[in-house]
Amino acid sequence: EAQVTQNPRYLITVTGKKLTVTCSQNMNHEYMSWYRQDPGLGLRQIYYSMNVEVTDKGDVPEGYKVSRKEKRNFPLILESPSPNQTSLYFCASSLSLAAANYGYTFGSGTRLTVV
Amino acid sequence: AQSVTQLGSHVSVSEGALVLLRCNYSSSVPPYLFWYVQYPNQGLQLLLKYTSAATLVKGINGFEAEFKKSETSFHLTKPSAHMSDAAEYFCAVRPASGGSYIPTFGRGTSLIVHP
Repeated sequence: EAQVTQNPRYLITVTGKKLTVTCSQNMNHEYMSWYRQDPGLGLRQIYYSMNVEVTDKGDVPEGYKVSRKEKRNFPLILESPSPNQTSLYFCASSLSLAAANYGYTFGSGTRLTVV
Repeated sequence: AQSVTQLGSHVSVSEGALVLLRCNYSSSVPPYLFWYVQYPNQGLQLLLKYTSAATLVKGINGFEAEFKKSETSFHLTKPSAHMSDAAEYFCAVRPASGGSYIPTFGRGTSLIVHP
C-alpha cells in the first residue's frame, strides 16, 4: 500500500531533550515536507526536500533540523525542544515539486507535547 | 505570490442538508487547486483537485468543487451531508507554472454535522 509512515504517533518529552520524528514513504517520491498544525493557524511548512541531499527552509524552520540521506526517509530533528514546539506534526510527500498537479500524500501525524 | 482564504473556521449543517465550504485564492499565475479532508486523529487525504481540465471537479464521498476564475473561487459542495462528513477541510493552491511550486494551504474549515 502506498503510504507515508510517521513514528511515533504520540510523544511527550521534556524541554531540552533531543528527539527525532521519523518519516518514510514507499512511493519513490522526490518531494517531501514537514508541517506543523496548530489551532487557528492551519498548516505551516517547517522544512522541505526536493530530492536526496537537497533541503530548504519553509515558513517556520526555527528550532528544527532535517536530513535527506535516502530518498524514502526524511526525519525531523528537534535538538532542544521547547514548549512552543508542542504541536501536531505531519510529514507529506509528492511525486516532485515540479509536478504541480500532483497532490500530497500525508502521514497520520505525530502529536508532540513538550513539558 | 499566492494565498488561500477559507471563509468560516466552522460550518455547521444538519444531516441531509447542503454542504458549502468556501475557498478563495489569489495567484499571479494560473493555479492548481486542491481540497483535502482530515478526519479526527488522521492525516490529510486528497478529496479532489482542479488541474485546468474541467472546471467542475468531482471527488470522493460525493463532494465536488467548481473552479470560477472570474470569482477566484474553488468552493466545495455536497448535496446532502452525512454524519461521517464531519471533519476538517483544507483548501490549497499551487502555481501551475513558473516560480515556486510549493503549495499554500488555507487555515481549514471544521464541518460539524448535526443529526
